[in-house]
Amino acid sequence: NAGVTQTPKFQVLKTGQSMTLQCAQDMNHEYMSWYRQDPGMGLRLIHYSVGAGITDQGEVPNGYNVSRSTTEDFPLRLLSAAPSQTSVYFCASSYIRVSGRGEQFFGPGTRLTVL
Amino acid sequence: LAKTTQPISMDSYEGQEVNITCSHNNIATNDYITWYQQFPSQGPRFIIQGYKTKVTNEVASLFIPADRKSSTLSLPRVSLSDTAVYYCLVGEKARNYGQNFVFGPGTRLSVLP
Repeated sequence: NAGVTQTPKFQVLKTGQSMTLQCAQDMNHEYMSWYRQDPGMGLRLIHYSVGAGITDQGEVPNGYNVSRSTTEDFPLRLLSAAPSQTSVYFCASSYIRVSGRGEQFFGPGTRLTVL
Repeated sequence: LAKTTQPISMDSYEGQEVNITCSHNNIATNDYITWYQQFPSQGPRFIIQGYKTKVTNEVASLFIPADRKSSTLSLPRVSLSDTAVYYCLVGEKARNYGQNFVFGPGTRLSVLP
């Protein structure tokens, strides 16, 4: 049971480049989400999904796209990288339970630098 | 909006009990309160969750008063390895589906020798 895995661990992009951050989980969780964390700050929700084919925007969605074709995978696409997207990106998954009950499992993060 | 308010930072010494209080005045009737711990360069890790009164597990206790407008995470006899950022979360109704969880800046706990 690998939990939540993210690739790559580190990435450097030039402004305007595009790339996809990968996230996978093997716990059969319906709910998956992407957060970004800037230095010294809390996590901010980018996009989330409540199941295959169902995604929605979080607090800071601009510049990012997601899709959820399978329960296991939830990739995050940067369309045209900007220096403001330099951050650490965390993927998380959990069962969906009412009222926030239950635990989110987080991946190890991807540290992205945009030059 | 189910926002939370916590102290930005706290200092403690090894062996002491640490209590971190979180304010959540607008918590919804059915929502649970969850605490996470984050070490540098790692993702957050679940510590404890509760709905009312007191919850205890092997690492912490969570105290929730009857009005549920606040909660207190209690870490008994902290060690240097408890130095981390601690986040208090309550659910927030998502835009279209289910619930999301808003992470505030958290409380940076520094345990000194």
